[in-house]
Amino acid sequence: GAGVSQSPSNKVTEKGKDVELRCDPISGHTALYWYRQSLGQGLEFLIYFQGNSAPDKSGLPSDRFSAERTGGSVSTLTIQRTQQEDSAVYLCASSLASTGDQPQHFGDGTRLSIL
Amino acid sequence: AQKITQTQPGMFVQEKEAVTLDCTYDTSDPSYGLFWYKQPSSGEMIFLIYQGSYDQQNATEGRYSLNFQKARKSANLVISASQLGDSAMYFCAMRGRHYNQGGKLIFGQGTELSVKP
Repeated sequence: GAGVSQSPSNKVTEKGKDVELRCDPISGHTALYWYRQSLGQGLEFLIYFQGNSAPDKSGLPSDRFSAERTGGSVSTLTIQRTQQEDSAVYLCASSLASTGDQPQHFGDGTRLSIL
Repeated sequence: AQKITQTQPGMFVQEKEAVTLDCTYDTSDPSYGLFWYKQPSSGEMIFLIYQGSYDQQNATEGRYSLNFQKARKSANLVISASQLGDSAMYFCAMRGRHYNQGGKLIFGQGTELSVKP
C-alpha cells in the first residue's frame, strides 16, 4: 500500500500476556519510529530504527518492551507480561531520512487494551 | 532538553474564519525542525507543515501557514478560512537536525480545535 500499515488495529488481552504489534513502513523509507499515545502521557517516543539497527531505544519504558526490524522494512514491537499501564495507542511512523525536512508519516495505530 | 508547549487545550472557531494555534518550544540546538500534525477523531496523524530553524521565510501549505518567530521560540499554526473538516486535535512537534539525534519527534500536548457552522 501507499501508506504506513499497522496491525492489528485493535488488540484486547489479559494482563500478563505477551503481545506483538506490527508495522509495515512506506516502501523505501529507511527510518522507522514507534510512539505511544495515552491520555495521561500524550505522545511519547519509544524507539527509532535506521535500517535494521536501533540507534535510539531511549523511550522504551521497561525491559518488557522490545522491538526489531528485519530486511529494512517490517518492524515488530513486543510487549511481554503486559500490565494495565501498557494500555495505549501504539503508533508507527516512517520517513525517507531521519534528518532534514523529511516528515514522518504515521500509520493508523494499534489500540491496545489490557484487561 | 527539547520541549514543546501548547497552552490551548481547546479552541473554537467559526466556519470560514481564521484561527491561530499557539506553540512555543525550548531547545539549545542551533539547528532544528518544527512540524504540525493534525489528528482527527479517527486517529490517524496527518502531516501539515514544516519549518526549519534556518528558513528565512515562514512556511505555507495551502490554507496552513506557520508564524515562525525564532527569537520568541514560537511556531504558531494559522489556519485560514476554517472548514468543518478542520475539527481535530493539532500537535506541534520538534526534532533536532543532527544525524546523531535520530530525528525523533518531541510533541506538545495538543490543541483540540472545534469549527462551528
